[in-house]
Amino acid sequence: KNQVEQSPQSLIILEGKNCTLQCNYTVSPFSNLRWYKQDTGRGPVSLTIMTFSENTKSNGRYTATLDADTKQSSLHITASQLSDSASYICVVSYTSGGSYIPTFGRGTSLIVHP
Amino acid sequence: EAGVAQSPRYKIIEKRQSVAFWCNPISGHATLYWYQQILGQGPKLLIQFQNNGVVDDSQLPKDRFSAERLKGVDSTLKIQPAKLEDSAVYLCASSLDLRGGSGYTFGSGTRLTVV
Repeated sequence: KNQVEQSPQSLIILEGKNCTLQCNYTVSPFSNLRWYKQDTGRGPVSLTIMTFSENTKSNGRYTATLDADTKQSSLHITASQLSDSASYICVVSYTSGGSYIPTFGRGTSLIVHP
Repeated sequence: EAGVAQSPRYKIIEKRQSVAFWCNPISGHATLYWYQQILGQGPKLLIQFQNNGVVDDSQLPKDRFSAERLKGVDSTLKIQPAKLEDSAVYLCASSLDLRGGSGYTFGSGTRLTVV
């Protein structure tokens, strides 16, 4: 069964600190992995996308890593800001009949306190 | 570039009533998705269109949910009759093609409350 598991479920950190969010998946056959940021009341917005051959991808203060052998990914946020408070969703896509089906994790809720 | 437009933004209905949501994807995006996001969970794919054809609707509760994209542009999602457990945010997303290589762009969603 194609599944995406994220941890922790929620996280509270102080402004300026770093944090790392985890994503484990059993999706197969793997196509790509994306991290999304979802602000409250808004739709998800893409942060990074990685294919099988990519190990790391950065977008400003966000750095995503991918280990395709262990089927694990992480999202590292550096020097957190109050605006980083959001839900971070890991999405892994698999191929099926010529199509690419995204499978969503439940998300990690991040709260950044001043 | 205009984003994915959804309406209404909020909807409150009584159980057993019917409701419809509308989505206008980004111009030129051939693939359109409807997701259901229950509070505290990640989005769950309900249906995926490629132009006006259905690619995947395996998780759509077809006894009460229906969706169409007749002209391959706008799409509507209908629930008839609604149940309490249908309370959720319904997100519409679009991508250039089935591969989604350019990424998925999401609308702000319609928050449905069934009382």
